[in-house]
Amino acid sequence: AQKITQTQPGMFVQEKEAVTLDCTYDTSDPSYGLFWYKQPSSGEMIFLIYQGSYDQQNATEGRYSLNFQKARKSANLVISASQLGDSAMYFCAMREQTGANSKLTFGKGITLSVRP
Amino acid sequence: DAGVTQSPTHLIKTRGQQVTLRCSPKSGHDTVSWYQQALGQGPQFIFQYYEEEERQRGNFPDRFSGHQFPNYSSELNVNALLLGDSALYLCASSLETGVNYNSPLHFGNGTRLTVT
Repeated sequence: AQKITQTQPGMFVQEKEAVTLDCTYDTSDPSYGLFWYKQPSSGEMIFLIYQGSYDQQNATEGRYSLNFQKARKSANLVISASQLGDSAMYFCAMREQTGANSKLTFGKGITLSVRP
Repeated sequence: DAGVTQSPTHLIKTRGQQVTLRCSPKSGHDTVSWYQQALGQGPQFIFQYYEEEERQRGNFPDRFSGHQFPNYSSELNVNALLLGDSALYLCASSLETGVNYNSPLHFGNGTRLTVT
């Protein structure tokens, strides 16, 4: 079963507007972490934001916030005030805490294009 | 503070050959993970090294092997290359990921391997 699902086609947003990138996940582990990474065309995976399964509040990091709905198993990334430099691939990932299980499981990613 | 560095950045090999990719973790990190990212896909976990031992392995054949050195740097070796091994290979480092599931992985820029 797919653990991280990112089904949106390529996303487009106007500069300075907000955009939401969807992510749903599947796990039976009560302890897990959810991550969002940005991958520009250069290839580097840049860590953006983290949400823990026991966190009571949604995570925020500057222009990035995570809309965490645990019951629905969704962890959507919200980017406010989009900038041209936000154009990139965005990946949602999960780490489960099962024994020494520490790998990150990634979704297929979403392409975001910011229009001037 | 140097981040994760990988070498080489690009590599072209022929089917059946062997290849070695190298990774130096972020300063202070002791755990190295390797991921394979095919074009248009999310990264797939290959294996993780901690204290010079392979701690966890993904669903990759034995042609994929690795090593971690006392200075925490790591190598990924792929034998008997197939066309399907063409991908971006990402190295990620962290600190004791087996303990803290909320620790983000820090990625390098990757090595783009092309097998012809």
